[in-house]
Amino acid sequence: DTEVTQTPKHLVMGMTNKKSLKCEQHMGHRAMYWYKQKAKKPPELMFVYSYEKLSINESVPSRFSPECPNSSLLNLHLHALQPEDSALYLCASTRGNFMDTIYFGEGSWLTVV
Amino acid sequence: GQQLNQSPQSMFIQEGEDVSMNCTSSSIFNTWLWYKQDPGEGPVLLIALYKAGELTSNGRLTAQFGITRKDSFLNISASIPSDVGIYFCAGHGAGTASKLTFGTGTRLQVTL
Repeated sequence: DTEVTQTPKHLVMGMTNKKSLKCEQHMGHRAMYWYKQKAKKPPELMFVYSYEKLSINESVPSRFSPECPNSSLLNLHLHALQPEDSALYLCASTRGNFMDTIYFGEGSWLTVV
Repeated sequence: GQQLNQSPQSMFIQEGEDVSMNCTSSSIFNTWLWYKQDPGEGPVLLIALYKAGELTSNGRLTAQFGITRKDSFLNISASIPSDVGIYFCAGHGAGTASKLTFGTGTRLQVTL
């Protein structure tokens, strides 16, 4: 079983809704990541938090807003999304060194209608 | 940017057969990771490689970090139906340690 837990597993939202995806890990990891994955494609990096500070934003549109309340939690706030944002959103973590092995959660399936 | 070319794109094999897939890059990589992803799930780490020439096994899986640091392969011996899924290679390129680059994936289907 993965030690990176994501909720919800599935989310359907309208284009005017505000929702959030949540991620939690209790491995003591200090770097956490959000990835987006479309069907049959590899994951694409969105954001990286290192020691609770945003260190990488891969030019993600502002309708996606990450938040890292503490070293164990990572949120992704969603607002005014488009249908093309429908995808599997993966959270991941590493100990702190970016070269460390990265562990993924099971993902949150997002459908924007 | 850095790219990882993964081959084959897909494979149909019979149960019991051995499987081999590989990943190549035009630039040097400092780590190689192999993941398996089942439909609707996140990638699960199979094997992590950190040194050129390193050969590591995990049950029926064996992976190697190429000597040139530009390639890696994954072998699966005596395949079983639950090996079905998409296999991704991934790595940290030299000079881009903060970003994990993924290969395009190999879809494996096992027939009885």
